[in-house]
Parts: sequence; C-alpha cells; structure tokens
Amino acid sequence: DAGITQSPRHKVTETGTPVTLRCHQTENHRYMYWYRQDPGHGLRLIHYSYGVKDTDKGEVSDGYSVSRSKTEDFLLTLESATSSQTSVYFCAISEGEDQPQHFGDGTRLSIL
Amino acid sequence: EDQVTQSPEALRLQEGESSSLNCSYTVSGLRGLFWYRQDPGKGPEFLFTLYSAGEEKEKERLKATLTKKESFLHITAPKPEDSATYLCAAFHRDDKIIFGKGTRLHILP
Repeated sequence: DAGITQSPRHKVTETGTPVTLRCHQTENHRYMYWYRQDPGHGLRLIHYSYGVKDTDKGEVSDGYSVSRSKTEDFLLTLESATSSQTSVYFCAISEGEDQPQHFGDGTRLSIL
Repeated sequence: EDQVTQSPEALRLQEGESSSLNCSYTVSGLRGLFWYRQDPGKGPEFLFTLYSAGEEKEKERLKATLTKKESFLHITAPKPEDSATYLCAAFHRDDKIIFGKGTRLHILP
C-alpha cells in the first residue's frame, strides 16, 4: 500500500469553527491532492499541489485553503466550517500529473 | 462539457456470472483513463491505466479495455470478494482528472 496517512480519521465539529485535515506521505511523490466524496457526486477535486509551496485550485475550492511546506505534508483547512462541507475527504498522491493517483483511507468530517 | 458517465449505477450478479461495467467519457484530449476499486470505508485502490484506444489490461478476473468513446471493465467468473464500487476517471489535456460516480457491484455467493 502507498504510504499515505490521513488524520484525523473522524471529526465532528460545529458550524463556524476552523478545521484542518492533514495528509502525510512517505513516498516522496511530487503531486498531492485533496478530494471530497459525496453521494451522487463522486470524487471532486478541491485543491492540489505540484511541489512544495506550489498549489492550485480544483473544481470545488471555495471555502477551502491548502498549504504544503514540506514534500510529505499537505494540509487542508476549512477556515469557517459550514454544514455543506460535511463529507468524506480523501488525500491522494502521484508521481506525475498523468500518473495514477493513490489514495489514503479518508477523513469523515461532520459539521453540525 | 467534459464528463465521465458510468453504467449501471449498481449491479448484482451471481458468483461466476460474468459481466461488464461501462465508462463513457466526453473529454477533450484524453491523456489517460484510470480504473479504481473502492471498498466501504476505504480510499479508492488503483487497478489500471489505459492510454490509447485498443489498449487492454488484465489482472486476475478483471480486464479493462478502451475505445475512443468508452472503457469497459470486464469481470469474468466473479467471486464475492469482487464486490465493491468500481470507479473510472479520465485525465485530459487541461491536466484535470474527472471521476465518474461509480458502479456498485455486488456478487452473491
């Protein structure tokens, strides 16, 4: 299995609070991604990174920010969580932009 | 609009009953087509990459094929442990990847 660790695995929080999810990899891959998965929508890209301090927006980036200060860590932050951000969040890594992505086991986030 | 559509949404088969899952895509400049398997509570697990029409890949009871408009995941003599959601994703020239919504496959013993 690809060395990808997501933390926390589960989180329940209240509307308006800040939330940070962490993705840690041990594969030294250049590309890292954050997705959310919701019933009826499939996987949707939030943000991705193509190197340390190099990030770009995905399809559903509003309300989310990311940071990557080290190759191995990619953080996803919800500055002020809303109920519409209740979802399962997946981190993925890949060696190159056209290479297959390998996924972590997800973080289930509930915002009440 | 670029999109990936998978059919059927759900499929129930008897053990040993072969079938195929479909992934049709309308993307500009396809650079690759990926297939994944996802078990409940887990992240997607990579199965295959297909890069050009006519290409085929096999792994155990699974075979993936690609044409200019769609991809098929053929499952031969499936077993209950093949039950999962199967996702396809298209990578296109704008460096974006689009996932389909998946097919939930259930193999009955």
